Amino acid sequence: DQQVKQNSPSLSVQEGRISILNCDYTNSMFDYFLWYKKYPAEGPTFLISISSIKDKNEDGRFTVFLNKSAKHLSLHIVPSQPGDSAVYFCAASGRVGGTSYGKLTFGQGTILTVHP
Amino acid sequence: ETGVTQTPRHLVMGMTNKKSLKCEQHLGHNAMYWYKQSAKKPLELMFVYNFKEQTENNSVPSRFSPECPNSSHLFLHLHTLQPEDSALYLCASSQDSHRNTEAFFGQGTRLTVV
Repeated sequence: DQQVKQNSPSLSVQEGRISILNCDYTNSMFDYFLWYKKYPAEGPTFLISISSIKDKNEDGRFTVFLNKSAKHLSLHIVPSQPGDSAVYFCAASGRVGGTSYGKLTFGQGTILTVHP
Repeated sequence: ETGVTQTPRHLVMGMTNKKSLKCEQHLGHNAMYWYKQSAKKPLELMFVYNFKEQTENNSVPSRFSPECPNSSHLFLHLHTLQPEDSALYLCASSQDSHRNTEAFFGQGTRLTVV
């Protein structure tokens, strides 16, 4: 049973346009959400996070939106650049089943390709 | 230079071998983690250590044996692995596992079991 889902395996966007990556979760105990970017042969790199007490967090070109009622979050990248091409993972954590906050549950990832 | 360093980057081992993966973090964090990423699967948590104590074992087979001698170092000892254990093994660290903070990952060890 996958508790964090990224239903789009891939996304292709033109340089300069907006990239929107989506993520859904099922467990209402999750209260902290993160986005990571991963290049081939490298580990995931932290991008941005959001706590469940907020519905938006912005950092430069990256904005994460959280809709708790829909159990949905999205990552917006504006403007998209070719260097943004990578695999993007969403992750969630919280006091789930008594486990520690440190346990991240990841989605399957979305491959973003930004064309020049 | 990444704050979390893993060695080796690549490892090929036979099913009867014993090998160890090493992770070192230079971020002053107190929590360290092992994750596994198999082909076409999400990253999956294996172990959590907080202040050198193991706080979670995510039902990992005993042929994987973690060791955390101090808050900066984490090992994963491997013994009699199976070909299906071939995967990317990622180490991560965070401030501590009792708070909602981001985890920082190493570059991973690509393990192939033959």
